[in-house]
Amino acid sequence: GENVEQHPSTLSVQEGDSAVIKCTYSDSASNYFPWYKQELGKGPQLIIDIRSNVGEKKDQRIAVTLNKTAKHFSLHITETQPEDSAVYFCAASDGRGNKLVFGAGTILRVKS
Amino acid sequence: NAGVMQNPRHLVRRRGQEARLRCSPMKGHSHVYWYRQLPEEGLKFMVYLQKENIIDESGMPKERFSAEFPKEGPSILRIQQVVRGDSAAYFCASSPPDEKLFFGSGTQLSVL
Repeated sequence: GENVEQHPSTLSVQEGDSAVIKCTYSDSASNYFPWYKQELGKGPQLIIDIRSNVGEKKDQRIAVTLNKTAKHFSLHITETQPEDSAVYFCAASDGRGNKLVFGAGTILRVKS
Repeated sequence: NAGVMQNPRHLVRRRGQEARLRCSPMKGHSHVYWYRQLPEEGLKFMVYLQKENIIDESGMPKERFSAEFPKEGPSILRIQQVVRGDSAAYFCASSPPDEKLFFGSGTQLSVL
């Protein structure tokens, strides 16, 4: 079945700097890759997603890139702000499209 | 349009009791997913349901756990004879057929 690896597990950046989180997946049939942000005591919130027919997608300060050949995708946050501090999860659809398989998460701390 | 509604937010049970977790999907969503999250860990898939059907239960423990999504009413995740190891946050997500999952705020189950 699908396996998703996520790195780093923790990331500290200075306010205004960029943050990059990387994920790899194993199932070449996966075709949907969302990213979620989870704040303390809350459910995961979808922040951006990408499908396998595109290589990059951007939404204001957030961008996601996908390399299907290498089976990895990345989240880029520019001009980080303290409110970006949270746990970020990547996910990949399983080959049958039945469910999302999540990475272990990255704790992002933005220091002001 | 209300989001995914889960209740209760917190549930305390003693060992051996039953836990019932409820999830009302977003309006118009016919797919429901249940995930479990242990402290400082990622989201682990449990079960995927459509109305009156279990589509994928590959993440459900073989005993004591069951899920349903009836024609009318919320989806229910039922845990019989709870043990301390069942303590976790249980998240429900719903989606239309295009795979975008939207999560509820979760139920924190504590087993004493």
